[in-house]
Amino acid sequence: DAKTTQPNSMESNEEEPVHLPCNHSTISGTDYIHWYRQLPSQGPEYVIHGLTSNVNNRMASLAIAEDRKSSTLILHRATLRDAAVYYCIRDTGGFKTIFGAGTRLFVKA
Amino acid sequence: NAGVTQTPKFQVLKTGQSMTLQCAQDMNHEYMSWYRQDPGMGLRLIHYSVGAGITDQGEVPNGYNVSRSTTEDFPLRLLSAAPSQTSVYFCASRGTGNYNSPLHFGNGTRLTVT
Repeated sequence: DAKTTQPNSMESNEEEPVHLPCNHSTISGTDYIHWYRQLPSQGPEYVIHGLTSNVNNRMASLAIAEDRKSSTLILHRATLRDAAVYYCIRDTGGFKTIFGAGTRLFVKA
Repeated sequence: NAGVTQTPKFQVLKTGQSMTLQCAQDMNHEYMSWYRQDPGMGLRLIHYSVGAGITDQGEVPNGYNVSRSTTEDFPLRLLSAAPSQTSVYFCASRGTGNYNSPLHFGNGTRLTVT
């Protein structure tokens, strides 16, 4: 099963860091972890991905546990525009990319 | 950059009608796929294609047909619409030269079947 486990929802205050967890305990050695987010009334958009090492880009950071069974997406300073559903995906390199329900992030002003 | 373009944005059908949801991408991506998203839920894979002339089923293929005659286009056909097919449909594409390249999504088609 290529699904991951995420909390249904999380809440953050504006301008504070947000840590979005994801459990992927059955991950295999060659599976990448991808994160997408979906803003209201839009299609999902790519955020970040990684294999073993922590990754940073202009949108976020990705921290991957040493045993790779979990990862955390880090938004360093949440803004109201970051309110979205965040999906953590195991990318097995195949063609059936499976999405779970994701984590709905609420950001309070 | 156009990316992935879906048309129409909204559609209302009566039960039993047929229609085609259009998807086009201008990134020369080999891989394209269709997902549906029901209220409050994640995306479920309907069909996908790894190149012109090659298609395969995803998680929920029943009631939908696809074909891939060009790299750019991947239409989704509903032959006889049912209320259970009321959903938002997303098309996505990715390059397969690097299999971990990200998916690029369109902005969706909201379909209501009455």
